[in-house]
Amino acid sequence: SQQGEEDPQALSIQEGENATMNCSYKTSINNLQWYRQNSGRGLVHLILIRSNEREKHSGRLRVTLDTSKKSSSLLITASRAADTASYFCATFTGGGNKLTFGTGTQLKVEL
Amino acid sequence: GAVVSQHPSRVICKSGTSVKIECRSLDFQATTMFWYRQFPKQSLMLMATSNEGSKATYEQGVEKDKFLINHASLTLSTLTVTSAHPEDSSFYICSAGAGTGGRNEQFFGPGTRLTVL
Repeated sequence: SQQGEEDPQALSIQEGENATMNCSYKTSINNLQWYRQNSGRGLVHLILIRSNEREKHSGRLRVTLDTSKKSSSLLITASRAADTASYFCATFTGGGNKLTFGTGTQLKVEL
Repeated sequence: GAVVSQHPSRVICKSGTSVKIECRSLDFQATTMFWYRQFPKQSLMLMATSNEGSKATYEQGVEKDKFLINHASLTLSTLTVTSAHPEDSSFYICSAGAGTGGRNEQFFGPGTRLTVL
């Protein structure tokens, strides 16, 4: 399987804390994307980082990419209860325009 | 961002019947659409890539005769689950590809919850 792995599988934090999720993948990539999914809903694109980029920011989100280790991390700062969702990384290798999704991290932010 | 819709959002059917799910890109043309399947608390697994005007490309292990895909126009792809069985119960999500220059972003529909009794 080419599916990447994410850890932790589940993460529970208090509102205001930071949340860090990690993603590892197996093949060379063109870019890596992070998505969010609320329970029983579709996916929302959060951020894309290209293989030649090392870090990217978008609001309270910070993504890093280490292609030598084939890993990425997503940091959500000052978390809110509304951030409660599942977060998936997905890699794009260029072949067939396909995305390969990681196993996901279920984040719960408690008040 | 681009909007992708799916219809229906939920469907319950009897075993042996066929179910059609529609995926539409509402404000852009999508030459490529993707169909995923997601079991509870699991990740998305790509089932097939749907190309406008040509046959779909199925992933290994996905039965093309059971999951019929038609991409008749640049804004519509359909997935038909034929002779559905309880094990086909799942969350089906489509996405439409957009972007150039290596961006290749996908916009996802809200998903269809299929329950086969």
